[in-house]
Amino acid sequence: KNEVEQSPQNLTAQEGEFITINCSYSVGISALHWLQQHPGGGIVSLFMLSSGKKKHGRLIATINIQEKHSSLHITASHPRDSAVYICAVFSRVWGGGADGLTFGKGTHLIIQP
Amino acid sequence: DTAVSQTPKYLVTQMGNDKSIKCEQNLGHDTMYWYKQDSKKFLKIMFSYNNKELIINETVPNRFSPKSPDKAHLNLHINSLELGDSAVYFCASSHRGLAPSYNEQFFGPGTRLTVL
Repeated sequence: KNEVEQSPQNLTAQEGEFITINCSYSVGISALHWLQQHPGGGIVSLFMLSSGKKKHGRLIATINIQEKHSSLHITASHPRDSAVYICAVFSRVWGGGADGLTFGKGTHLIIQP
Repeated sequence: DTAVSQTPKYLVTQMGNDKSIKCEQNLGHDTMYWYKQDSKKFLKIMFSYNNKELIINETVPNRFSPKSPDKAHLNLHINSLELGDSAVYFCASSHRGLAPSYNEQFFGPGTRLTVL
């Protein structure tokens, strides 16, 4: 079974700072999700990666398949970026031939004005 | 237009009752999932359905049963509710293909279940 570790668990930063959240997993995967969950509770998919790097606005996600590691970066952070960021990996073969998402425990990010 | 919808948004009930949560997706996806988010905010998969066939059943009590009348709907039935079932339940959907790009998941808004 895949183990997904995220760091840090909690992060408080000042507005404008560059933010990095890291994710490591133990078993080879077909794709990795970065998800955002706001205090209201809804979950939004930010990125899905299977290789390389993706950028959307101020958000950048990278993945290194060989090292089993991904990072989510936020440039010019803003208080509205405050949320829980969750890494989730999708394995085609997992738990007896089935597949699905395995989640990290999330990183609680607070951006102060 | 809501891509993945769930009803109800909140559900408060007594121990021992039977309840259902409904999920519908209008994205044309062929796979739907149920996830449970516990009090520590940790998400864990419960079930997935692909073309009306159960393909995951992760160590979930048999009091929980998914029912899919068609590939746009996956309802979650819970019998004999227990205090420990209190959580937020999320429905999601995706394509299930060989290419990873097909597997992006879209989540519903969640159903907060409170068992008293």
